[in-house]
Amino acid sequence: RKEVEQDPGPFNVPEGATVAFNCTYSNSASQSFFWYRQDCRKEPKLLMSVYSSGNEDGRFTAQLNRASQYISLLIRDSKLSDSATYLCVVTVFDAGNMLTFGGGTRLMVKP
Amino acid sequence: EAGVTQFPSHSVIEKGQTVTLRCDPISGHDNLYWYRRVMGKEIKFLLHFVKESKQDESGMPNNRFLAERTGGTYSTLKVQPAELEDSGVYFCASSQVLGYGYTFGSGTRLTVV
Repeated sequence: RKEVEQDPGPFNVPEGATVAFNCTYSNSASQSFFWYRQDCRKEPKLLMSVYSSGNEDGRFTAQLNRASQYISLLIRDSKLSDSATYLCVVTVFDAGNMLTFGGGTRLMVKP
Repeated sequence: EAGVTQFPSHSVIEKGQTVTLRCDPISGHDNLYWYRRVMGKEIKFLLHFVKESKQDESGMPNNRFLAERTGGTYSTLKVQPAELEDSGVYFCASSQVLGYGYTFGSGTRLTVV
């Protein structure tokens, strides 16, 4: 079983749509959670951290459910520029805070 | 502020040859990490330096891989001899604070033929 599981997609949505991605993690000792964005042939870039209380950054909302070991990302009013691969990432303190990546979910926003 | 710089951006080598990848972290970042993405797989941790010391090298695939960070500045990752399965994208990242504020380099795409 993978440590961080994501639906690879692709999710094909029209501009303006709302889209949600989910991610599950297997290590209950995971303590920090992030969504990264990776454009084709580019490096991963931090999109946002994820907190238990939920957090929002503009059109993006992230949620963490520790009991279910589940993380979500909601994108409202999708833009063409949102097309990318979204990576769910966790860290475990005892593992030296290295990042453990999911395989990514590919989003394609169409005109 | 300059970002994390990796060199070369691409490398094509033959099986059995040696390749050395270089990473220049953001100035002042004590934490330096190497990650790798092989085709069809997720990005995986290779190792972590704190200054010049290897903090965690549990992700290094085998003894064909050697990482160094002399003087606690730039780092090199040498693959010797390279095998076909070593092909992938090698990312370097640095952070000032352990576990947070990672900045990734643009990666080195290694192809072993």
